[in-house]
Amino acid sequence: DIQMTQSPSSLSASVGDRVTITCRASQDINNYLGWFQQKPGKAPKSLIYDVSNLQSGVPSKFSGSGSGTDFTLTISSLQPEDFATYYCQQYKSYPYTFGQGTKMEIK
Amino acid sequence: EVQLVESGGGLVQPGGSLRLSCATSGFIFSDYYMDWVRQTPGRGLEWLARTANKARGYTTFYAASVKGRFTISRDESDSSLYLQMNSLKTEDTAVYYCVRGYNSFDVWGQGTLVTVSP
Repeated sequence: DIQMTQSPSSLSASVGDRVTITCRASQDINNYLGWFQQKPGKAPKSLIYDVSNLQSGVPSKFSGSGSGTDFTLTISSLQPEDFATYYCQQYKSYPYTFGQGTKMEIK
Repeated sequence: EVQLVESGGGLVQPGGSLRLSCATSGFIFSDYYMDWVRQTPGRGLEWLARTANKARGYTTFYAASVKGRFTISRDESDSSLYLQMNSLKTEDTAVYYCVRGYNSFDVWGQGTLVTVSP
């Protein structure tokens, strides 16, 4: 199975900050990488697919980059509604696997 | 509007069975791959099973942890997705999500809680 490792596991940031979350795959996953946002008690919401493509309706403050095994999610100008847990996911091969999550809290 | 609505969760004893349903609307169901994903505080998000679309012959795929115990199926007549869960274990306790498998996992249901306990 492909292991997905996110860092950091948690971070504190302030409104207006720009933050970056990284995700590393245990093997090359080409561009089959997605990012999700989850708020407490809610289902995950897809933000990005194929490394850098925004899902419909997702604001451009979210951006993704990377290739091969190393990927990043960047969120610019943090707003209160952005404080949530973020997950990466590979869909290069079965079983599809997720990172352990990065919990973002308000400083 | 694309919607996925799960139902069928509940409390079941170890060794028991449960069938989850997912009612879908707002898209041409037969065109899409569909998945089940579960989430626990301890193990995080775990992909369980997938059914391909009509063009791909509705082929199914499973995670090793549920293969042989869980069966994913779909009913094109009413655009519904199912997960038949047999031989349930306490570690199957989780929130189960129905997910549309397009451009990664683009749409998620609200989830249904399954609790496996004596």
